[in-house]
Amino acid sequence: KAGVTQTPRYLIKTRGQQVTLSCSPISGHRSVSWYQQTPGQGLQFLFEYFSETQRNKGNFPGRFSGRQFSNSRSEMNVSTLELGDSALYLCASSLWGTGVGSPLHFGNGTRLTVT
Amino acid sequence: KNEVEQSPQNLTAQEGEFITINCSYSVGISALHWLQQHPGGGIVSLFMLSSGKKKHGRLIATINIQEKHSSLHITASHPRDSAVYICAVGSSEGAQKLVFGQGTRLTINP
Repeated sequence: KAGVTQTPRYLIKTRGQQVTLSCSPISGHRSVSWYQQTPGQGLQFLFEYFSETQRNKGNFPGRFSGRQFSNSRSEMNVSTLELGDSALYLCASSLWGTGVGSPLHFGNGTRLTVT
Repeated sequence: KNEVEQSPQNLTAQEGEFITINCSYSVGISALHWLQQHPGGGIVSLFMLSSGKKKHGRLIATINIQEKHSSLHITASHPRDSAVYICAVGSSEGAQKLVFGQGTRLTINP
């Protein structure tokens, strides 16, 4: 069974631009959750999608948004990039979601650098 | 105070030593996850538990729901165990989300 695939692996953008990251979950998994990891703040929950609906959102500004398609693939978008958005962005898939206690399967992440 | 606290933050040990990493949390949980992150960023889920104890090879995870505390133990540690270990709780209060500890950086010297 293929694992969780995130694309691209690396991305360099300029302040003010926008970026879209992609996450393909394990086949059959309906939940995709997104996380930001920085040296200062550690891992932080961004949002979770389940069956195309956003189920929960973390404490991030509205510049961070996402969506999930009918095949469970998910995209995350960050608009008007700021230097502080430089981070490793991880997604994880699970059968039933983060709050239900399903095991999580993480992708390798997208490392975003904003200059 | 953070909702999830890990200790120690850094741990260096010799190969073969018994390792314990602790995680305390203050929220109601649906499950607790232990994660391993190697340099380069990839995260592997080691355990998900909501009660009792689980064992996988040299790794053992325990949780005490009443005391809101979990431990991850590594027996016969090996240099390849060097990684950051992260505790994460699936909160059952309010909106469902994962809350992470700050991680424990483990270095095992040969």
